[in-house]
Amino acid sequence: EVHLLESGGGSVRPGDSLRLSCAAADFTFSTYAMSWVRQPPGKGLEWVSSIGGSGSGTYYADSVQGRFTISRDNTKNTLYLQMDILKVDDTAIYYCARGSARHDFWGQGTLVTVSS
Amino acid sequence: DIQMTQSPSTLSASVGDTVIITCRSSQSVSYWLAWYLQKPGKAPKLLIYRASSLENGVPSRFSGSGSGTEFTLTVTSLQPDDFGTYYCQQYDTYPYTFGPGTKLDIK
Repeated sequence: EVHLLESGGGSVRPGDSLRLSCAAADFTFSTYAMSWVRQPPGKGLEWVSSIGGSGSGTYYADSVQGRFTISRDNTKNTLYLQMDILKVDDTAIYYCARGSARHDFWGQGTLVTVSS
Repeated sequence: DIQMTQSPSTLSASVGDTVIITCRSSQSVSYWLAWYLQKPGKAPKLLIYRASSLENGVPSRFSGSGSGTEFTLTVTSLQPDDFGTYYCQQYDTYPYTFGPGTKLDIK
């Protein structure tokens, strides 16, 4: 079965940076687009960003455009989310998910807390 | 951006009931719509994609219909494992957007 494991979450101050990773296993990583979806505590889901299988084609939510960068290393089967200029509103559980549209497998999530 | 709405926002039902959840989009998304179920403390699980296609391993008591701007998710013969929060998501146009969710709990 497909495995996705996020890491890199933590508590930071507004304006700080953080890089999330998602290690993928048990499927041919390079042939799938991948995405990040987040969920603020007690709230609904928000799509954040997607990237094509080869790494070309990146897409972002308006709320993170210009501050977050999605990337991948297909030699390491790993997806990344570089988050810069973090804001309090970025506080959420961040999930990585397989697929850019139909998210058929999800990781367990990593919590990012932005607070002064 | 395409806005998604869901109704009802909360729903109480009993085991064995049939429930219908509606999802509407602010503009046509054709049939590019998915449904997910999320349980507390867990990641969402894909149930339906392309409006009416059942994801592998999902019981046939789940069904989806609709196209354009109005979609429904029907769950027949509710089981204890079906309770949680249901989300729709359009993937016709970036940025992809989720509905606010429908919380289904036990009556």
